[in-house]
Amino acid sequence: DAKTTQPNSMESNEEEPVHLPCNHSTISGTDYIHWYRQLPSQGPEYVIHGLTSNVNNRMASLAIAEDRKSSTLILHRATLRDAAVYYCILRDGYSGGGADGLTFGKGTHLIIQP
Amino acid sequence: NAGVTQTPKFQVLKTGQSMTLQCAQDMNHEYMSWYRQDPGMGLRLIHYSVGAGITDQGEVPNGYNVSRSTTEDFPLRLLSAAPSQTSVYFCASSSPFSGETQYFGPGTRLTVT
Repeated sequence: DAKTTQPNSMESNEEEPVHLPCNHSTISGTDYIHWYRQLPSQGPEYVIHGLTSNVNNRMASLAIAEDRKSSTLILHRATLRDAAVYYCILRDGYSGGGADGLTFGKGTHLIIQP
Repeated sequence: NAGVTQTPKFQVLKTGQSMTLQCAQDMNHEYMSWYRQDPGMGLRLIHYSVGAGITDQGEVPNGYNVSRSTTEDFPLRLLSAAPSQTSVYFCASSSPFSGETQYFGPGTRLTVT
């Protein structure tokens, strides 16, 4: 799986939008961009994923650059519960449904100030 | 649905002891995997399975054994525990039909003294 680069940490205020960046300059045409987050003392949980177009779900939005070399996870209105480590992960779309696991980096530690 | 469950939540072992970490899922997922997470690090893949009777090694398999006799269960065995295996262990499951979404258990915190 191709490598991603994320800032070590970011800080934001409660009830404000948060933009979490991810660089993936070596992404291939079949790589999907996945985001997971890990709340303190819990297992990771799926947030969102996309290939080329921007994606929205109840948790977040994913904005993908036109050249796909970077993406941004957007939390529209952060709450204290969103404080977590956020991981940006690339997965080859032909890898077979995630059978062989995910490659995690260190992610971005998001701190939310009340 | 309980999702992915792991037992025990916490375990302390002495060097050289053996034990089995249990993982079960009730979503009828074909794929299951084990990860370890050391402090301040991301998760690393230990072993994975694409179905009952089929397992394969991940990034850090040494010191661990797995087997998969049923779709639901995927136990991880430490044959002779070492302090380097002190970590938090997560089990995950997924399916070709879950959009590659992986579902993780709550983890087992293991300390080897």
